[in-house]
Amino acid sequence: ILNVEQSPQSLHVQEGDSTNFTCSFPSSNFYALHWYRWETAKSPEALFVMTLNGDEKKKGRISATLNTKEGYSYLYIKGSQPEDSATYLCAFPFINTGTASKLTFGTGTRLQVTL
Amino acid sequence: ETGVTQTPRHLVMGMTNKKSLKCEQHLGHNAMYWYKQSAKKPLELMFVYNFKEQTENNSVPSRFSPECPNSSHLFLHLHTLQPEDSALYLCASSPGQGRNTEAFFGQGTRLTVV
Repeated sequence: ILNVEQSPQSLHVQEGDSTNFTCSFPSSNFYALHWYRWETAKSPEALFVMTLNGDEKKKGRISATLNTKEGYSYLYIKGSQPEDSATYLCAFPFINTGTASKLTFGTGTRLQVTL
Repeated sequence: ETGVTQTPRHLVMGMTNKKSLKCEQHLGHNAMYWYKQSAKKPLELMFVYNFKEQTENNSVPSRFSPECPNSSHLFLHLHTLQPEDSALYLCASSPGQGRNTEAFFGQGTRLTVV
């Protein structure tokens, strides 16, 4: 059984604050680590797919880092805005059996940004 | 708009009813998935189809029956469900093989079993 842990479960910040949260995953047999953003009443949407140790990816004010040796990834949001309010999910693929990718998800970090 | 459409968005059904959830993707992807999210639990993979063939059944009870007539359509047939099956059911698709290929999700069907 793969365990993907996310912390904190929820976070409440003020507009303009910077914030970060963590995803922990098994460090053995690493293949890739996915981050998704899930806004209420919408579809989960991919933010990043990270594959290399030390990798850092950025999309606007959101960035993510990856440490495959110790099994964690951080997601950072700089200058949070109300539209960043969402649940942020990380996911870890099962070992590739040659079929379609199968993801194990964490429970997510629910971010609320207020004015 | 992710290119993955699910219908209906909401469904209330009795335990003796038979209903179906529909998913359609317009992305040309080869793989399609059903996920379930119950309250306070992570998204849980139910079924995987690759090129219309089922490649994964994650120990799902037989009261859930998937069908994939072609690479663009995926159904989840429901019969004699239990109240604990009430959850959000999400469909997803991906280009296919590869652990670093992202999944594209529909908006889900909120199912309530009464």
